[in-house]
Formats: sequence, C-alpha cells, structure tokens
Amino acid sequence: DAKTTQPNSMESNEEEPVHLPCNHSTISGTDYIHWYRQLPSQGPEYVIHGLTSNVNNRMASLAIAEDRKSSTLILHRATLRDAAVYYCILREHTGNQFYFGTGTSLTVIP
Amino acid sequence: DADVTQTPRNRITKTGKRIMLECSQTKGHDRMYWYRQDPGLGLRLIYYSFDVKDINKGEISDGYSVSRQAQAKFSLSLESAIPNQTALYFCATSGQRNTEAFFGQGTRLTVV
Repeated sequence: DAKTTQPNSMESNEEEPVHLPCNHSTISGTDYIHWYRQLPSQGPEYVIHGLTSNVNNRMASLAIAEDRKSSTLILHRATLRDAAVYYCILREHTGNQFYFGTGTSLTVIP
Repeated sequence: DADVTQTPRNRITKTGKRIMLECSQTKGHDRMYWYRQDPGLGLRLIYYSFDVKDINKGEISDGYSVSRQAQAKFSLSLESAIPNQTALYFCATSGQRNTEAFFGQGTRLTVV
C-alpha cells in the first residue's frame, strides 16, 4: 500500500491560515487522497478528499500537486478547535481498506 | 443516535480473559473496520469486512478475531487477553465507493 509522509508537529497562530503538507511519492493513478483529523479523546473525523483537482469544502481546502506526489491541507483560519492530529491517507478508488500513518499534531496558539 | 456506536467505552480485564468489543452503525454501509491505537501512534488496521460473508485480516490481526453478525454489527474479540493489547480501539464504516469513513468514539481497553 502506498505510504504517506507528514511532519510530526506544526504550530499556528489563531485566526491565521495553516498549510499541512503530505508527501506520497508512490501514489498510484487510482488512489484518492483523504484527510482525517483526530481531536483529543475522539475518533477520527473526515475532513476532505480528492483525486487530481483541488477541492474545497466547509472545513478546509485540499491542494494537490500536478504530479500528485504531494498535497497540502489548508485551514483558512485556524481556531483553537482545530488543534488535532491530522492524517493524510491514500485510498484505492474502490474504497477499500485504508491505512493511517502517525499524522501531524497541530497546535494552535491563542 | 451516533452513526457508529461502540460498547463498552471503557473496560478493564484480566490477563487470559476473553473479551468482546461491539460495534454497530446506522449508515447502512457494507464496509466495517476495526483499528487499534497505541499512545502517540496512528491507527493500525486489525480486521475489515466488506459484507456479512466477507472477513479480511489487516496489519495486526494476531490475537484477535471478528464476527460480522449483520450488516450493521461488527464485533472484535480477544480470545485470551494479554497486557500488550492494552490500547484504544476504534470501529469505522464506509460506503462501497470512495466515500468518507465514519468512526466510533473508541473503546479504551486495559488488560492487567
């Protein structure tokens, strides 16, 4: 299964944008890029996913490199509630099992 | 009601005991998963099921078994619990196509 590489931790000031990077150099043409986040003491929750084009939803934006070997999750205005571990995951287009890495722990500074 | 419900939420058991963790979902999805999370680490896949008659091993299935009793129910069993199975366990469900997955709130299991 294709793997992802993320920084262990990042910090951001409250109300500023946050760019969370993810490298996935072994991605296949049919793998979707998914992002989940895990708030303290909770199960992971879906954030966003995409294949080739950049994606936007109410929570975040996903910017995908042209060669698809990297992507960036963008939180437009970080809030204290966004402090969490963010996981970048690759999933086959058929939606089969998905594997988590260690993620990026985001700290938001008031 | 929550999309994915796990019971119990917390459990302390003794070494050698058999224990079952239960999961039910209201999304109507075919696919269900069990994950384990150790402190400071990401989630690791234990077992997954694509329908009632389909069970597959994940990364770390040794020492665990599962049962898919119905589309909505997927149970994880530890036949003889050992201390290094102390962890946080998550159940999840997703649709057939490449859609989002929904996770339960987790079961914190301690084996003493």
